[in-house]
Amino acid sequence: EPEVTQTPSHQVTQMGQEVILRCVPISNHLYFYWYRQILGQKVEFLVSFYNNEISEKSEIFDDQFSVERPDGSNFTLKIRSTKLEDSAMYFCASRASSGNTIYFGEGSWLTVV
Amino acid sequence: AQSVTQLGSHVSVSEGALVLLRCNYSSSVPPYLFWYVQYPNQGLQLLLKYTSAATLVKGINGFEAEFKKSETSFHLTKPSAHMSDAAEYFCAVSESFVRGGSNYKLTFGKGTLLTVNP
Repeated sequence: EPEVTQTPSHQVTQMGQEVILRCVPISNHLYFYWYRQILGQKVEFLVSFYNNEISEKSEIFDDQFSVERPDGSNFTLKIRSTKLEDSAMYFCASRASSGNTIYFGEGSWLTVV
Repeated sequence: AQSVTQLGSHVSVSEGALVLLRCNYSSSVPPYLFWYVQYPNQGLQLLLKYTSAATLVKGINGFEAEFKKSETSFHLTKPSAHMSDAAEYFCAVSESFVRGGSNYKLTFGKGTLLTVNP
């Protein structure tokens, strides 16, 4: 069964460093998402992306965050200057244009020290 | 605005016992509702979804959920727990599907950790 894949599974970074989290959505999907889950808290929506542009973003998704689809298969989340409070599990997700199911990856656990 | 409340951050049952995980939602329009499961060290997997058809929805692994508009609930049940059901379960709501928007954003509850005792 097709799946969303994410790399790395776990990354430790120093505060202030840039981090790029990578995702390969399901191949025929056109809508892409990033969600995050801080330990012990809810899974929160960050951003949705369609047709090479952001379609919606949450208040969490400030200027430190950016997303990109650099080629036909990858979808990335960049955090420009990480803060301690960015430590979380980041989930990538995708959806087909005609579907109402959002498929999630296994997550990338980011630890900022 | 849409929101989800999952009552009980941790539910413990014995193997073979009934599983009941509670979810209440708030939505300004009739919503679509979802249950996702996260097994240890894995991603979020869709268990089942309600999309305004039958109010009793059957999902994978013997789980089902019933949409009750009058109670704004979408509780998840399974008649007989199995050890392999131990996982974290997330209820989620989306108004966007109904409104026909393209974002189809999900709003999640905090999750309920299910443990199954032998």
